[in-house]
Amino acid sequence: QQPVQSPQAVILREGEDAVINCSSSKALYSVHWYRQKHGEAPVFLMILLKGGEQKGHEKISASFNEKKQQSSLYLTASQLSYSGTYFCGTGPTDSWGKLQFGAGTQVVVTP
Amino acid sequence: GAGVSQSPRYKVTKRGQDVALRCDPISGHVSLYWYRQALGQGPEFLTYFNYEAQQDKSGLPNDRFSAERPEGSISTLTIQRTEQRDSAMYRCASSFGGGNTGELFFGEGSRLTVL
Repeated sequence: QQPVQSPQAVILREGEDAVINCSSSKALYSVHWYRQKHGEAPVFLMILLKGGEQKGHEKISASFNEKKQQSSLYLTASQLSYSGTYFCGTGPTDSWGKLQFGAGTQVVVTP
Repeated sequence: GAGVSQSPRYKVTKRGQDVALRCDPISGHVSLYWYRQALGQGPEFLTYFNYEAQQDKSGLPNDRFSAERPEGSISTLTIQRTEQRDSAMYRCASSFGGGNTGELFFGEGSRLTVL
């Protein structure tokens, strides 16, 4: 069962913050975040393996709450380059590449 | 090459024809994955290999779909007797494999259109 992402879309002005949520009805072992720009391949941002652990990529960070079976991606002081569709993926412990991706959150950052 | 290479980039075929999609992973990457991505959706897992061994094909929709990686490098995804519902972007991804970062490197994809 694929994870559920919210919101479906968000429009930001440069410098604003946003949060993207990813939740699952199943226990989560790992959460993977990817960003896909229009017409391009998805690009890896980060993977979270432990509950409560935060990771960062530029000014993008994420948290993983095992108990709540959810992860959140934080876009801080957004830049134009942050525009794209963000996907969370969840997977079994024995194959980190076999992922179930959510439907994505489209992020548009405007000047 | 520097990245994952897929060919053809675009394929238009008539219903009932067979198609073969090729993936050339990053050199040295042990694991190779096939995903399918519909417009406006996230990638959907199809199958994956470690070296030449197909580890999991649970995501292949039916027996018209098959994949191979005979020498542990280049992989081919074959769709027999194509149907219009097979139209999608087919993406290949590779990774180092084993206990690594888990990062998948995706290719640019092969867009299949079945008329």
